[in-house]
Amino acid sequence: DIQMTQSPSTLSASIGDRVTVTCRASQSINSWLAWYQQKPGKAPNLLIYKASSLKSGVPSRFSGSRSGTEFTLTISSLQPDDFATYYCQQYNDYRWTFGQGTKVEIK
Amino acid sequence: EVQLLESGGGLVQPGTSLRLSCSASGFAFNTHAMNWVRQAPGKGLEWVSKIDAGGVGTNYADSVEGRFTISRDNSKNMVHLEMNSLRAEDTAVYYCAFSAVSGSGSVYWGQGTLVTVSS
Repeated sequence: DIQMTQSPSTLSASIGDRVTVTCRASQSINSWLAWYQQKPGKAPNLLIYKASSLKSGVPSRFSGSRSGTEFTLTISSLQPDDFATYYCQQYNDYRWTFGQGTKVEIK
Repeated sequence: EVQLLESGGGLVQPGTSLRLSCSASGFAFNTHAMNWVRQAPGKGLEWVSKIDAGGVGTNYADSVEGRFTISRDNSKNMVHLEMNSLRAEDTAVYYCAFSAVSGSGSVYWGQGTLVTVSS
């Protein structure tokens, strides 16, 4: 299986901070990577697909990028609604795999 | 608009069976592989199973191989997950999902159905 190593596992930040979450794939996944936001009791909410495509309706403060097998989710200016857990997912291989999650907490 | 609606979850005893269903609409169902993904309470996301567009090819996570069976009915736009010999560790929210890799490249998920395995 393709391993997705996500870091950090927890991130403490303040409103207005620039926040970065990273996922590294154990092998090439091309750009078949998605980022999700999840809040307690809710389904994962797609933010970014194909590494850098912003889902319609998602605020533009969210962005994704790729450098080889390293992928980054950036929140340019953290807002109160952004405190949540974020997951990456590769869908290059039929056996989808996910990062371990990053919990973004209030500092 | 793409919609995936899961049903069939509930509280069951260990060793018993349960069948989950996912009703799909808003896209060409018979041209997309479909997946089930689960999330145990307080844990991360785990891919469970995939069925190809035609319903011939299936794949399973090692944790459910031999116990779970995925199937689909393209005439009804439905995908099912038959879960047998359920264990406490199968307790999770189960999501139906697919990726439109031949089109937009996006990924679509349902809202999930909770399965609780407990005596």
